[in-house]
Amino acid sequence: EVQLVQSGVEVKKPGESLKISCKGSGYTFTNYWINWVRQMPDKGLEWMGRIDPSDSYINYSPSFRGHVTISVDKSITTAYLQWSSLTASDTALYYCARQATGHTFDLWGQGTTVTVSS
Amino acid sequence: EIVLTQSPGTLSLSPGERATLSCRASLSVGNNYLAWYQQKLGQTPRLLIYGASSRAAGIPDRFSGSGSVTDFTLTISRLEPEDFAVYYCQQYAFSPFTFGPGTKVDIK
Repeated sequence: EVQLVQSGVEVKKPGESLKISCKGSGYTFTNYWINWVRQMPDKGLEWMGRIDPSDSYINYSPSFRGHVTISVDKSITTAYLQWSSLTASDTALYYCARQATGHTFDLWGQGTTVTVSS
Repeated sequence: EIVLTQSPGTLSLSPGERATLSCRASLSVGNNYLAWYQQKLGQTPRLLIYGASSRAAGIPDRFSGSGSVTDFTLTISRLEPEDFAVYYCQQYAFSPFTFGPGTKVDIK
């Protein structure tokens, strides 16, 4: 089955670090970019950035550059989104989604809920 | 950055009616790389339309997309009960790949 499976719910305190994951299976992982999309509570979708698993090339949205780090380990077909110091405004649902070059997001992970609260 | 504006914000209709959703871009969307997604409450977004007018796999033909350059439309010819949801447009022509704010289609 072609799927993206994300890591589970996270509850963190402000200032803590976090790394969430997105594992692809059932397809050639290096043929598709992995994108990260944020959805804050009761809000819309925001594109954060993407990574090409074949060479680890990264595009960041200007809104998120410097606040998060996107990475990949193609040997285990897994992409990551990480924060070095969380704030309450990072509370959101985070999705990963795959994208072939010149195409849009045709497969989404189930989402990872991140709650940051003291 | 291409800013996408969707209208209306909310569309209240009855099952069986036709829904027309608009998405306007602040700059030309190259190659008409414009997609539409449906998101139901508590669910993952689902791709409906890509390339402005091509239906994604498994999408019923009551969903259609049209438009070009800066003006795009998603039409649902006859609303089924399962179509009441939020719809987002997205451009994937130029980074950053922006989404519109969404149109909520709810039951009148």
